[in-house]
Amino acid sequence: EVQLLESGGGLVQPGGSLRLACAASGFTFSSDDMSWLRQAPGKGLEWVSSISGSAYSRSYGDSVKGRFTISRDNSKNTLYLQMNSLRAEDTAVYYCAKNRSGSYYYWGQGTLVTVSS
Amino acid sequence: QSALTQPASVSGSPGQSITISCTGTSSDVGNYNLVSWYQQHPGKAPKLIIYEVTKRPTGVSNRFSGSKSGNTASLTISGLQAEDEDDYYCCSYAAGSHHWVFGGGTKLTVL
Repeated sequence: EVQLLESGGGLVQPGGSLRLACAASGFTFSSDDMSWLRQAPGKGLEWVSSISGSAYSRSYGDSVKGRFTISRDNSKNTLYLQMNSLRAEDTAVYYCAKNRSGSYYYWGQGTLVTVSS
Repeated sequence: QSALTQPASVSGSPGQSITISCTGTSSDVGNYNLVSWYQQHPGKAPKLIIYEVTKRPTGVSNRFSGSKSGNTASLTISGLQAEDEDDYYCCSYAAGSHHWVFGGGTKLTVL
């Protein structure tokens, strides 16, 4: 059974940094592309970033490019999102997801990031 | 403003069929068969219900079906049930810097 468990969310001041982690199990982690998505309170879904299985290819949404960095440790079956220069508009529930066939096939339960002074 | 346009709300009675539209452009929905649909209960993670326009993941009811015509994709739910009352989001691959774009979401009310 595929399981994705996010951690690392919390309250951070504007301009601060936070690193999210997503522990994966139940599949061959290194074979699959992975993504981070987010959902601001009361709002819709937004794609944040994706990374290929080998980590060779990475892509970012315009709203986070240059501030966020996606990475993975295939030896630990863990996906990461390093978030720097955080803004109030980054406040959201962050989900990690396993990609498959051009879709987000499995999702974690999410972790809440609140950017506020 | 979302890249893909969905109606904010739709409603239907139990047993009826409803369709949710998702309108994009020739740079996303119209040019790629990479449209997916997600069902989300408030406070829960989204769940994939349709991928590659028409395909259903294992375990998803065949009451859910997807289609596409030109720049508009559609999700149809037949035999509406009370448990279908959720938020629904479409998503498409998009050429250029956006990569993956979502619709703003549609709230389904079962009357």
